[in-house]
Amino acid sequence: QSALTQPASVSGSPGQSITISCSGTDSDVGAYDYVSWYQHHPGRAPKLLISEVNKRPSGVPDRFSGSKSGNSASLTISGLHSDDEAVYHCSAYTTSTTVVFGGGTLLTVL
Amino acid sequence: EVQLLESGGGLVQPGGSLTLSCAASGFNFGVYAMSWVRQAPGKGLEWVAGITGGGSHTYYAESVKGRFTISGDTSKNTLYLHMSRLSAEDTAVYYCAKQAGLLTLFPLHFWGQGTLVTVSS
Repeated sequence: QSALTQPASVSGSPGQSITISCSGTDSDVGAYDYVSWYQHHPGRAPKLLISEVNKRPSGVPDRFSGSKSGNSASLTISGLHSDDEAVYHCSAYTTSTTVVFGGGTLLTVL
Repeated sequence: EVQLLESGGGLVQPGGSLTLSCAASGFNFGVYAMSWVRQAPGKGLEWVAGITGGGSHTYYAESVKGRFTISGDTSKNTLYLHMSRLSAEDTAVYYCAKQAGLLTLFPLHFWGQGTLVTVSS
C-alpha cells in the first residue's frame, strides 16, 4: 500500500487560510469516508483534528475543516494562528483492512 | 482522562527482537480498537498494526507482516507489540493509539508520547 500524497510544505500568514491536499486511490481515500487528519507538534503526541472526512472531535476549533472529492481529500485551516505551525498528516482506511498515512505537510506560519 | 504510556524501546541489534508495551488508563480498554504507528527519522507516520476491541482480529502493514505481533491483555490494560527479525528500516518512534470505536477503521483518537526503537550494530 503506497503512502497518500501530501505537499511537503505550505505556509501562510496569521489570519489567512490555507488548504492541504491529500491524494490517494480508489482503494483508500476514494473507497470509504474514513479519512482523518492529525496535527503533530514536534516532541508531542499527534492529535486527531478531523475524522470521517469532515467531523471535528470535541475541542477542535471550527477553524479546521475537511472535505473529500473522489480520491482526494483536503484540510482547510482558516484564521491561521502561530500555534497552528506543525506537521499535518492525513490517513485513510483501505480496502485491505489497513490504514495508510500521507507523508505529512509542514505548515509554517509566517 | 485517557492516558497511554509506551515503554520497552531501546537499542537492538539487526536480526534481534523487542517487545513494546503500552499501559492504558482512563477508558474501558477491552472495547476499543488499538493500533501501533511509527515514525522513522525524517519520515511521515506509518501505521504498523491494529487490533479490534476484545482482540478478536489483528491486522498488519505489509512491511511488518510475519515479523510483528500485536496483542492486548485486558487484565493489565496493556497493549503489546512483539517485534522480531528487526532491521535498520524498523528504526523509528513507535506510538500506541486508542481508536474511536471497536473496529480498526475508526480514527486514532488518542496517542501516547511514543518510544524510540533503534536498530543498529
